[in-house]
Amino acid sequence: GDSVTQMEGPVTLSEEAFLTINCTYTATGYPSLFWYVQYPGEGLQLLLKATKADDKGSNKGFEATYRKETTSFHLEKGSVQVSDSAVYFCALISRGNDMRFGAGTRLTVKP
Amino acid sequence: SAVISQKPSRDICQRGTSLTIQCQVDSQVTMMFWYRQQPGQSLTLIATANQGSEATYESGFVIDKFPISRPNLTFSTLTVSNMSPEDSSIYLCSVWANGTPYGYTFGSGTRLTVV
Repeated sequence: GDSVTQMEGPVTLSEEAFLTINCTYTATGYPSLFWYVQYPGEGLQLLLKATKADDKGSNKGFEATYRKETTSFHLEKGSVQVSDSAVYFCALISRGNDMRFGAGTRLTVKP
Repeated sequence: SAVISQKPSRDICQRGTSLTIQCQVDSQVTMMFWYRQQPGQSLTLIATANQGSEATYESGFVIDKFPISRPNLTFSTLTVSNMSPEDSSIYLCSVWANGTPYGYTFGSGTRLTVV
């Protein structure tokens, strides 16, 4: 079935460092892809999305490009802040119209 | 996007008891889902709540343990039955509204602790 494989964490970075969190998917066809963020003690929030190949989703300085050839949707940010500390989930909408999530990557940014 | 009210937000329950979680949406939605997020883990789909019929359960989840109702297009309940400490998790309601430009809305979750 459709699935998402996400880079294992945790990831610890210093403030202003470059962030990459890898995400690859397995799916029939071309699913819509998403990144969600979960801040400590809070619910899931949609960070960005892409619905077709070569689309780039962006929000709050984060970007991810839908790469069909590598079945990837890696999350990047050029300069992380302490406030970016959270758990990040890569996800797709499967053929059954439900959302499938990766394992999540915990990011800690130190001042 | 749809606004979800999920209740209760948290509860501490005795083993062997049952808890019913409610998910109320402010507009009619096409699809409603229930997820479980165990401590430190990702989200796992429990079932798709179908309006007026039995829910569709994922592998590893059964109706006797997680009965679900969806009497209309704006409301659903999930019951966690005969609870054990292993059921301690966050349970989340999610909805997709037809016409929403891709993506789902999630409730704030119910944090359940079974003692």
